[in-house]
Amino acid sequence: DIQMTQSPSSLSASVGDRVTITCRASENIRSYLNWYQQMPGKAPRLLIYGASTLQTGVPSRFFGSGSGTEFTLTIGSLQPEDFATYHCQQTYNTPPFTHTFGQGTKLEIK
Amino acid sequence: QMQLLESGPRLVKPSETLSLVCAISGASVKTYDWSWIRQPAGRGLEWIGRLYSSGNTNYNPSLRGRVAMSVDSSKNQFSLKLNSVTAADTAVYYCARAGELLWFGELISAFDIWGQGTLVTVSS
Repeated sequence: DIQMTQSPSSLSASVGDRVTITCRASENIRSYLNWYQQMPGKAPRLLIYGASTLQTGVPSRFFGSGSGTEFTLTIGSLQPEDFATYHCQQTYNTPPFTHTFGQGTKLEIK
Repeated sequence: QMQLLESGPRLVKPSETLSLVCAISGASVKTYDWSWIRQPAGRGLEWIGRLYSSGNTNYNPSLRGRVAMSVDSSKNQFSLKLNSVTAADTAVYYCARAGELLWFGELISAFDIWGQGTLVTVSS
């Protein structure tokens, strides 16, 4: 099975900072990688699919990149509403067609 | 606007079966693929399984043998059954649409619509 590993598991930053979260896959998943944002007590929200395509309505300060086994999510200038937990998820379209998530990265205000 | 709403018992005894339903409004359950995803307190998300519009299913290998998902078209909903539960199955359970999004000429699957989630506790 494909395993997903995010780093760091938590991160402290200030409003206006630029931050980067990394997600690594245990095998090549091309660009079949999605990112989600989860506010406390809420359901996750799709941010980015296909490693780099922003879902409708997502601000352009969010940037996804990578392919193969290493991916990054960058937030260009943190806003107060960005402090949340971020999850990566592989969706590689080959058997066994599983949808593994990373363990999440909690972004906190410094 | 499509909305999903989970329902079912909030407390399940060990060794019994957890049963949840996801009611869909704003779309037909027969049109899309659907998934269940869970999240233990303070931990990451775990994909449970996918129910295809064809009626086929695919489950997380770690849960295979204990899990079953099915559609009830007459009620426009789909369900999750997880048997032989233990305390390790205590989590917030989410239902979600497994959308197929157009991406550079291909379709890529992503969970683009989610229910609000429901906490299920396994305890005697």
